[in-house]
Amino acid sequence: GESVGLHLPTLSVQEGDNSIINCAYSNSASDYFIWYKQESGKGPQFIIDIRSNMDKRQGQRVTVLLNKTVKHLSLQIAATQPGDSAVYFCAESLSGSARQLTFGSGTQLTVLP
Amino acid sequence: DADVTQTPRNRITKTGKRIMLECSQTKGHDRMYWYRQDPGLGLRLIYYSFDVKDINKGEISDGYSVSRQAQAKFSLSLESAIPNQTALYFCATSDSSRDQGYTFGSGTRLTVV
Repeated sequence: GESVGLHLPTLSVQEGDNSIINCAYSNSASDYFIWYKQESGKGPQFIIDIRSNMDKRQGQRVTVLLNKTVKHLSLQIAATQPGDSAVYFCAESLSGSARQLTFGSGTQLTVLP
Repeated sequence: DADVTQTPRNRITKTGKRIMLECSQTKGHDRMYWYRQDPGLGLRLIYYSFDVKDINKGEISDGYSVSRQAQAKFSLSLESAIPNQTALYFCATSDSSRDQGYTFGSGTRLTVV
């Protein structure tokens, strides 16, 4: 899983399987979380967000789960496709901090044919 | 056209040279940011600006300066480039009236030799 550190975790999944990418966030007071996708040579793209008053939020083929008790965030991708291969990272922010985001280091997802 | 445009996309410069990276946006966002990305370290904030008259240092501002020439333009300068400033640089924007994440540019890959 992902955490703020010096290594980039990797995850390899078969095409069509579900992927789960994890993130341990740092500030228990953070109340807004975002998952970004970064493809090679491109800037990060917003995938999905969740606020601390929710435990789960679903988008198209993606679901974000938030466990505030253990400060854990996960991104689930259903029926993973080759185009999902990218680096995924989470970001957290704290209300009152002018919504400055703190980013994790990312997880490299590789989809195998 | 991209919402957040960074120029140049790639740049190789020599140690000691002054270089400017430019960012312009068409989203009408009031807030702009400069981040640096190094392998395994995620995104680190260099400078941010909440409006034209507001400039703030981020966690790694040493060796960098910025200018917010207009709401839509935010440039990053390296006064005297050094090799450890070799990195991928991203500009991002956000809207203070909407509690959402950032929109990123496609990045500038800078190499200092």
